[in-house]
This record gives sequence, C-alpha cells and structure tokens, in this order.
Amino acid sequence: SQQGEEDPQALSIQEGENATMNCSYKTSINNLQWYRQNSGRGLVHLILIRSNEREKHSGRLRVTLDTSKKSSSLLITASRAADTASYFCATDHNAGNMLTFGGGTRLMVKP
Amino acid sequence: DAGVIQSPRHEVTEMGQEVTLRCKPISGHDYLFWYRQTMMRGLELLIYFNNNVPIDDSGMPEDRFSAKMPNASFSTLKIQPSEPRDSAVYFCASTRGAGQPQHFGDGTRLSIL
Repeated sequence: SQQGEEDPQALSIQEGENATMNCSYKTSINNLQWYRQNSGRGLVHLILIRSNEREKHSGRLRVTLDTSKKSSSLLITASRAADTASYFCATDHNAGNMLTFGGGTRLMVKP
Repeated sequence: DAGVIQSPRHEVTEMGQEVTLRCKPISGHDYLFWYRQTMMRGLELLIYFNNNVPIDDSGMPEDRFSAKMPNASFSTLKIQPSEPRDSAVYFCASTRGAGQPQHFGDGTRLSIL
C-alpha cells in the first residue's frame, strides 16, 4: 500500500512562479525523500530530510517536514520550464531500507 | 561514474513468452531494488537484495516472476510466462546503504501483446 500520498496530483504554473507539493504519510519514518521523474526516464533523487529535521534547502528547493502531522512539503521557487516533471515523495520506515513511494504530482511549468 | 544500467530499454513480446530484464547497479552499492510502474498502481517495489541475497520478495506478484542476483554487478528479473497485464515500466535501483538515496536506471518499457 502507498504510504506517501502527494497533493495535488497535477499542478500547472507559469515560469517564474513558485510550486508547492505536499506529501502525507501514515506511520513513523526514519527519513523522507523527494524524487523527480522526467518523462521516459528513471527517478532522480532531489533531497532527503531526516525525522529530526524540520526544514532543508537545496538550491531552489525547500523541503519541510512536520512529523506531528505526518506531512512534508516541497517548494520549488522561481520555477523554470525544465522543472516540468513528476515529483514523488518516498518514506523510509526503517523496514529493511525499503522506500514507499506516493503516487506523485505532475508539474507543468509553462514558458 | 556510470549510473544504474538497465537493458533492454524497450521490449515488445507476445503473451506466453519468457521475458528477461537486466540490471547493473552502481559499483559499491550493496542494495538493489526492482520496481514496477504503471498508471493504475504507481511505483511498486517487487523485490530487493542486500549483498546479493534476496531480502524481501513480498511484492512479487506471482510465481511467474523471479529475480536473481548472481553477483554484485548483475541482476535479472524474469517473467515466465508473460501476460498482457505485466505490461509496465520496470525500474532497477541501487543504494549504498540504509537510509541513503536510491539511484534509478532509466527503466525497461515492457509491452506484452
């Protein structure tokens, strides 16, 4: 079963705008990871946030984690057309190094 | 560094045929994962290996699916006999250790007619 559920399922914005995607999960985690998937390609790791962290930055990416609400958000600032992709959250529940992926958010950034 | 390498990239075959998907993980990575991605079910973990040993195969849909890892640099996922409902994109991923990011190959797009 899918632990991480992304919201929204699809998002369309203009270049330069910010994009926010949310992820909710059900049971406690060791860490939560965000991945990007371009059409026809494999998933690419973006950022990992551990359960004792609340916020993490990487370039134009900002991830927050609220373990009390079992939720995370991914913010992409100043979006570009090249950011068009599907974004997945994945949760590590300390179950033998397995990750559980959500259904993803399809982001379209219009030039 | 070379990433995870999967072959073939595309496979089209008829129902009932045997299908073999191949994966070469990143050198030094101790964990290897096989996933299946479909529109209906999203990304599902089929099986994973640690140091070439299968650890959890609870995601393997049925006995028609089997996976092996004869050495640290090679793994196969076999479907025999194949069925149309097996059509999907199959991904292989590897990671260095627990709690580390996974590195994915570009997948095999499998179509069973």
